[in-house]
Amino acid sequence: DIVMTQSPDSLAVSLGERATINCKSSQSVLYTSNNKNYLGWYQQKPGQPPKLLISWASTRESGVPDRFSGSGSGTDFTLTISSLQAEDVAVYYCQQCYDRTYTFGQGTRLEIK
Amino acid sequence: QITLKESGPTLLKPTQTLTLACSFSGFSLGTSGAGVGWIRQPPGRALEWLAFIYWDDEKRYSPSLKSRLTVTKDTSKNQVVLTMTNMDPVDTATYYCAHKVGLRGVNYMDVWGKGTTVTVSS
Repeated sequence: DIVMTQSPDSLAVSLGERATINCKSSQSVLYTSNNKNYLGWYQQKPGQPPKLLISWASTRESGVPDRFSGSGSGTDFTLTISSLQAEDVAVYYCQQCYDRTYTFGQGTRLEIK
Repeated sequence: QITLKESGPTLLKPTQTLTLACSFSGFSLGTSGAGVGWIRQPPGRALEWLAFIYWDDEKRYSPSLKSRLTVTKDTSKNQVVLTMTNMDPVDTATYYCAHKVGLRGVNYMDVWGKGTTVTVSS
């Protein structure tokens, strides 16, 4: 199984500041045949189901604010919120879709400092 | 607009079988590339993928739970059913169904139901 490890487990950032969440996979999730990283990021606000923010490691879903960006390749990935807003308080999960275990990271809780 | 809704029992006793239905609208599991996933989340814990079922009736299961899971679809009713046998208190969780992005080979889940909470207790 591919193990997804996020860091940190929790993070407190001031409004308007940058938030950075890391995700590391135990093996590469890059398919060399199409040069795509099979890595998604989800946001889960309290009491709500998860929402897909980013697919293919860096492609924002429709309607996702451009302050959210994804980067990385292979085994190391980053979700960045460029200017934290109050509505961004949530738990963020990465998920690999490279193999048929579709494993999630343990989540990173993002709060306002 | 795609919507999904989970339904089923809220309380089970250990060893019982869980049967959850996912009723959806806005897409068809008869369409090439379509799929529905099941995911669960124990209280205060992380998401865990359970299963996918696809338009061509292919099914994929979490390796750790494969022996206990069955997923079926009724395309005419726009419904997917998840069955999990031999329930245990550790299976207490919110269970979600979700729409898989409608492209072959793509397994991101872009629309989720609100989830249904299942408690296993004697």
